[in-house]
Amino acid sequence: QKEVEQDPGPLSVPEGAIVSLNCTYSNSAFQYFMWYRQYSRKGPELLMYTYSSGNKEDGRFTAQVDKSSKYISLFIRDSQPSDSATYLCAIYRAGNTGKLIFGQGTTLQVKP
Amino acid sequence: DADVTQTPRNRITKTGKRIMLECSQTKGHDRMYWYRQDPGLGLRLIYYSFDVKDINKGEISDGYSVSRQAQAKFSLSLESAIPNQTALYFCATSDAAGTRNTGELFFGEGSRLTVL
Repeated sequence: QKEVEQDPGPLSVPEGAIVSLNCTYSNSAFQYFMWYRQYSRKGPELLMYTYSSGNKEDGRFTAQVDKSSKYISLFIRDSQPSDSATYLCAIYRAGNTGKLIFGQGTTLQVKP
Repeated sequence: DADVTQTPRNRITKTGKRIMLECSQTKGHDRMYWYRQDPGLGLRLIYYSFDVKDINKGEISDGYSVSRQAQAKFSLSLESAIPNQTALYFCATSDAAGTRNTGELFFGEGSRLTVL
């Protein structure tokens, strides 16, 4: 079983739609939960991170963590064509050997 | 200038050739990483280094080697390239210290390698 599983894409939605991206993880020791956004021909960049269960909002983006279910989500409200990118979830356990573990990534296309 | 710079950005080579991908960073971070990205497989860790004297294998290190020449430089080598090493390769850095040690990675723009 992979440590992080991400729903496969690709996703194609009309502009203005609400987008839901999801991942599950298997190890309850993980502490930090992140979403990276990767535009075509670019490296991933951190979009949001959360530490605890619950919601965290940043503009049109909401990151949600449910530690009891080992489930993380990213919601995008009022999606825009500029949101078209690949979104990767990532989890992390702090410490000397801590390494970031990525999901497979979901490619999102927002059509005008 | 980019904080994490990878060279070359694109490379086409033949089976059996030795290839080196280079990474340099100006962020002052101690930790550096090499990832490989393939469609449907996400980012997979090849090697990582927490300081100049520390080198560790990741989940897919076979067929690869690395060298940490300085705090700011971390190179990835393919001693004898094969077609299934065709992929997009990313170098990344992170800061182990600081008030927000969340493991956040800062990526270069990638090196696309094609092995024929």
